[in-house]
Amino acid sequence: GAVVSQHPSRVICKSGTSVKIECRSLDFQATTMFWYRQFPKKSLMLMATSNEGSKATYEQGVEKDKFLINHASLTLSTLTVTSAHPEDSSFYICSAATRDRTYEQYFGPGTRLTVT
Amino acid sequence: AQTVTQSQPEMSVQEAETVTLSCTYDTSESDYYLFWYKQPPSRQMILVIRQEAYKQQNATENRFSVNFQKAAKSFSLKISDSQLGDAAMYFCAYRSSRTYKYIFGTGTRLKVLA
Repeated sequence: GAVVSQHPSRVICKSGTSVKIECRSLDFQATTMFWYRQFPKKSLMLMATSNEGSKATYEQGVEKDKFLINHASLTLSTLTVTSAHPEDSSFYICSAATRDRTYEQYFGPGTRLTVT
Repeated sequence: AQTVTQSQPEMSVQEAETVTLSCTYDTSESDYYLFWYKQPPSRQMILVIRQEAYKQQNATENRFSVNFQKAAKSFSLKISDSQLGDAAMYFCAYRSSRTYKYIFGTGTRLKVLA
């Protein structure tokens, strides 16, 4: 149990366009989802925390208008990178947690975004 | 603010030998969780082992065990009988019981030599 999926696994988009990444908890209801960004050979950096039905809480330095997060249901959260630029190219990882599982985070497989 | 430090960017171990990865953390909280995650080349984060701060007994999972020293704020991972499949990046993580956020260390790349 506790499987989290992400779609797409890889995406290439042109500079100035927007791209949406989906994160789904497949076999449990996630009251909280987290979005991370990972640069090559670096650690995971928390971007934002989203709770179902409420606005996401962004970490300091993360542009909320650029990285739009929606957590519309207990099994789905989306991250939209708006007006993407090459510097947004990165590996994005989501995780899902729930009170029933003591808020332990279960990680998705990640999405590699390349902006050309 | 909490911090997690992994002072070993890279470690090597011979197959079947034992290796210990270091992790220290800083916090003023008394209740928290600590984790070790493995990230293989696929980039999927895999939970290796977890430790609740209120438990004095060190967690073990098959070949993986931790040495949790709460007073010293140290949380090292010991891998016994190392296997080629253990080669990966290993991240130490701290989870606040108050915010539920994870704070990750910078990672240790483990190489297993045949």
